[in-house]
Amino acid sequence: DTGVSQDPRHKITKRGQNVTFRCDPISEHNRLYWYRQTLGQGPEFLTYFQNEAQLEKSRLLSDRFSAERPKGSFSTLEIQRTEQGDSAMYLCASSLVWTSGSSAYEQYFGPGTRLTVT
Amino acid sequence: TQLLEQSPQFLSIQEGENLTVYCNSSSVFSSLQWYRQEPGEGPVLLVTVVTGGEVKKLKRLTFQFGDARKDSSLHITAAQPGDTGLYLCAGGNQFYFGTGTSLTVIP
Repeated sequence: DTGVSQDPRHKITKRGQNVTFRCDPISEHNRLYWYRQTLGQGPEFLTYFQNEAQLEKSRLLSDRFSAERPKGSFSTLEIQRTEQGDSAMYLCASSLVWTSGSSAYEQYFGPGTRLTVT
Repeated sequence: TQLLEQSPQFLSIQEGENLTVYCNSSSVFSSLQWYRQEPGEGPVLLVTVVTGGEVKKLKRLTFQFGDARKDSSLHITAAQPGDTGLYLCAGGNQFYFGTGTSLTVIP
């Protein structure tokens, strides 16, 4: 098990450009989450998938943000027309949710992608 | 929205001291998780507490879930520089993280 990986680790882009981040979860995990985190704050939920279905999106996820998980494995997060306020760490996490409905989910995070919009 | 408030927000202590950080909410949670995050890395899960009143120990770290499952505390005994980091609680379906406690342990 290699853990959750994210690519790239760092991205610097100019305002108005589009960016795409990739997350590869732990292979047997069926849930995948995206969060955004600014310095010194806790992660803010953006969206999550169960297998390939996107089940919930935060109001933080404006129409410039889109996420996909086409085959229920890796996921991509795209930000269109980036703004300086999009500068943050984008975290991906995965978990294995038992069908029994246990609420004791344990999330495993990747190292994050730090986005800087200039 | 389930709001999780953590206190204190910042804590700087000398090596060897004890400390407690708190995670509070007005909502009841079915479970609560604690994570630690180092700069430039993702959070790492420390523990999950599920039952009201539950106490779990992880070496020098003691976690307690409130009887009403609305709050939790993390107590560190004899803090070491390696304990430095951002401590986060997460509740419910884990979409919501606390505001974080940034701990610095000075050698």
